[in-house]
Amino acid sequence: AQTVTQSQPEMSVQEAETVTLSCTYDTSESDYYLFWYKQPPSRQMILVIRQEAYKQQNATENRFSVNFQKAAKSFSLKISDSQLGDAAMYFCAYRTTSGSRLTFGEGTQLTVNP
Amino acid sequence: EAGVTQSPTHLIKTRGQQATLRCSPISGHTSVYWYQQALGLGLQFLLWYDEGEERNRGNFPPRFSGRQFPNYSSELNVNALELEDSALYLCASSLDGGKETQYFGPGTRLLVL
Repeated sequence: AQTVTQSQPEMSVQEAETVTLSCTYDTSESDYYLFWYKQPPSRQMILVIRQEAYKQQNATENRFSVNFQKAAKSFSLKISDSQLGDAAMYFCAYRTTSGSRLTFGEGTQLTVNP
Repeated sequence: EAGVTQSPTHLIKTRGQQATLRCSPISGHTSVYWYQQALGLGLQFLLWYDEGEERNRGNFPPRFSGRQFPNYSSELNVNALELEDSALYLCASSLDGGKETQYFGPGTRLLVL
């Protein structure tokens, strides 16, 4: 069974600084998808970034980028120039290419300090 | 373009009752997924519907059921409610059940007293 682990329950960052959230996963599949979602206090899950495992290039979306290390089964999220609106719970998620369900990590609560 | 919508936003029931939660996917999306986010248990996959059929089910008892309508909207029914069913229920939709990204609705918070 696939598992996703986020070892940092809480993180904090100063506004305009950079922070990296960690995620590791366990799978025997060779092709799959990885995601980062954020869940602000409104509780709505918002897609931040998506990575296909067959792509070696790390995905980027504006201030958000990932460091995807397939051999190490690591998928970290880097937030540059942190903004107050980035404060949220961040979830790492995994899905096989043939499956449907997302498997989520436990989440990392990010606080952005002004 | 409208996102995934869910109703009601909040629902209060007593133990033993039935709850019905509703979800409307993004226009053009045919797959609907249900997840439970209970305190201390994280996000757990419940059900996946695609083209009107239940395609996959998470590790939940049969009293969790649902259906998908011809317009691709979906209902989640929880029978014989138990206190531990109190949770945020999130619905997501995607273009199909394979490679497409899931987009989430705002959730329904169910409280069982």
